[in-house]
Amino acid sequence: KNEVEQSPQNLTAQEGEFITINCSYSVGISALHWLQQHPGGGIVSLFMLSSGKKKHGRLIATINIQEKHSSLHITASHPRDSAVYICAPSGAGSYQLTFGKGTKLSVIP
Amino acid sequence: DGGITQSPKYLFRKEGQNVTLSCEQNLNHDAMYWYRQDPGQGLRLIYYSQIVNDFQKGDIAEGYSVSREKKESFPLTVTSAQKNPTAFYLCASSSRGSGGYTGELFFGEGSRLTVL
Repeated sequence: KNEVEQSPQNLTAQEGEFITINCSYSVGISALHWLQQHPGGGIVSLFMLSSGKKKHGRLIATINIQEKHSSLHITASHPRDSAVYICAPSGAGSYQLTFGKGTKLSVIP
Repeated sequence: DGGITQSPKYLFRKEGQNVTLSCEQNLNHDAMYWYRQDPGQGLRLIYYSQIVNDFQKGDIAEGYSVSREKKESFPLTVTSAQKNPTAFYLCASSSRGSGGYTGELFFGEGSRLTVL
């Protein structure tokens, strides 16, 4: 079973700061998902990546398969980025994901 | 617009009653999933289906049942055998990744079930 650790659990930042959220997992994977959960509960997929780096607007996700580690970066953070960010690795050849407990981000104006 | 729809958003149930949560998608996805979320915990898989008329148990299937009679629909029934059903339930769908892994996930807005 894949053990997933996210850090930090909670993060408070001032608007404009650069944010990094980390995700480590224990078992080799095929791909890793980064998700955003809004206060109302809805979840949106941000990234799915299996190697290297992806960028969408102010969000950047990186993954190091050998080190079993992924990071999510937010540049020029904004209060609307306040949400819970969840990483979920997908095991090799598996359609099941293991979800981290999430990182709660609060961005203060 | 393509998407995934869950209903109802809020549901109250008396102990001993079965309830069914609806999940419909028009994304033409083969795979559908039901997850449960409790405060302070990661999402846990209840059931998933990769194709019509087939589904598999996830990590916490006891007390739940599903059906997949149509590609678009994957309803979840919370039975009276589920000892602690109060939770937030999320349905999701995905395409199949080219390497045999889960493609990008699309989630419904969730259903919050409270047992009175």
